[in-house]
Amino acid sequence: EVQLVESGGALVQPGRSLKLACTASGFTFGDYAMSWVRQAPGKGLEWVGFIRSKVYGETTEYAASVKGRFTISRDDSKSIAYLQMNSLKTEDTAVYYCTRDHVDTSRVTRFDPWGQGTLVTVSS
Amino acid sequence: DIQLTQSPSFLSASVGDRVTITCRASQGISNYLAWYQQKPGKAPKLLIYVASTLQSGVPSRFSGSGSGTEFTLTISSLQPEDFATYYCQQLDSYPPYSFGQGTKLEIK
Repeated sequence: EVQLVESGGALVQPGRSLKLACTASGFTFGDYAMSWVRQAPGKGLEWVGFIRSKVYGETTEYAASVKGRFTISRDDSKSIAYLQMNSLKTEDTAVYYCTRDHVDTSRVTRFDPWGQGTLVTVSS
Repeated sequence: DIQLTQSPSFLSASVGDRVTITCRASQGISNYLAWYQQKPGKAPKLLIYVASTLQSGVPSRFSGSGSGTEFTLTISSLQPEDFATYYCQQLDSYPPYSFGQGTKLEIK
């Protein structure tokens, strides 16, 4: 069974850092790009960023709202994707999901599956 | 950035009804559009991708259509388990891979 499990969510003060992990199973993790998507309480979905597979250089892209503060990385030997969040703001409070990016003819066409999410609360 | 606008934002319907949700893109995105269903406290679930391809395991009462800037998600006969929030997402260009604001489908 293909599965993604996020971990690392916590209550953290503004300005501090936190690192989330997304542990994958049931598929060849290294073959896929991985995205992070967040959802603030009672709000819609916001794409955070993604990391390409090793074949594509493990390069990353980010939403403007997190660029320069958040970093996505991966460890294919452990089937884990990470989201390092620095200089956290209260507006970063959200459930953070990781997802697997599907590529068809060199284009990402869908995110599937999604993990269950992990809650990050930024508050003093 | 490409903006996606869903309409309506809220929809009240009854079991057995046919419902349609529209997603409009601020610029052409070919057919690089996906639809997701989210129930309270749960992760989103993929329903449809490249505008009209039904994800494996998704009931055939769900269908998608459209290209360019206008897309629709149709549920042909609402079932009790379909009451949820639905999101469209464009995958034509990034950053960001933007989502619509969501359509909450409630029981009348």
